[in-house]
Amino acid sequence: NAGVTQTPKFRVLKTGQSMTLLCAQDMNHEYMYWYRQDPGMGLRLIHYSVGEGTTAKGEVPDGYNVSRLKKQNFLLGLESAAPSQTSVYFCASSYYGRSHEAFFGQGTRLTVV
Amino acid sequence: DAKTTQPPSMDCAEGRAANLPCNHSTISGNEYVYWYRQIHSQGPQYIIHGLKNNETNEMASLIITEDRKSSTLILPHATLRDTAVYYCIVRAISNTGNQFYFGTGTSLTVIP
Repeated sequence: NAGVTQTPKFRVLKTGQSMTLLCAQDMNHEYMYWYRQDPGMGLRLIHYSVGEGTTAKGEVPDGYNVSRLKKQNFLLGLESAAPSQTSVYFCASSYYGRSHEAFFGQGTRLTVV
Repeated sequence: DAKTTQPPSMDCAEGRAANLPCNHSTISGNEYVYWYRQIHSQGPQYIIHGLKNNETNEMASLIITEDRKSSTLILPHATLRDTAVYYCIVRAISNTGNQFYFGTGTSLTVIP
């Protein structure tokens, strides 16, 4: 029972490079979310999805794109990484009938130099 | 969504009850109170939620005042493993997803 799995766990990028973070859940959840967490701050919502093929902007969407082509996967893309995007990224998912209980992955630590 | 106010940090002796307060004076009638915690470097973990009645589960109890302007999360017998940042979130359940807006929370340290 894997739950929510994030790939990769660590990554170092150079400014201007692109990358995709993968989030996979095996709980058949409808809702999925991407958050970022910076030192001394709480989690901030980047984008979310309420179902396959749908995405929506959260609190801090600029510089990121997302896709939800399959129900179990939610991809977060950085087209041109900037040092300000150095952060820990968390993915989460929740079930429509129990959307109060979100399950989080273990995070991806991204450094942009 | 209503804003919440929590103390930045608290200490609790191991084995004692930890009482974590949260103010949400602008809460609306359809907004729930949720509590999550984040143990160092891990993803947040759901603890409990409630609307207006007190709630209890295997992890904690949630006490909501009658006017719903504040609440308290109670960990009845704190252990060292309860050291974490605790987030109080107020949110209405909607069919557009239940995305949470986390603040900075309360950093709870359980002392041996």
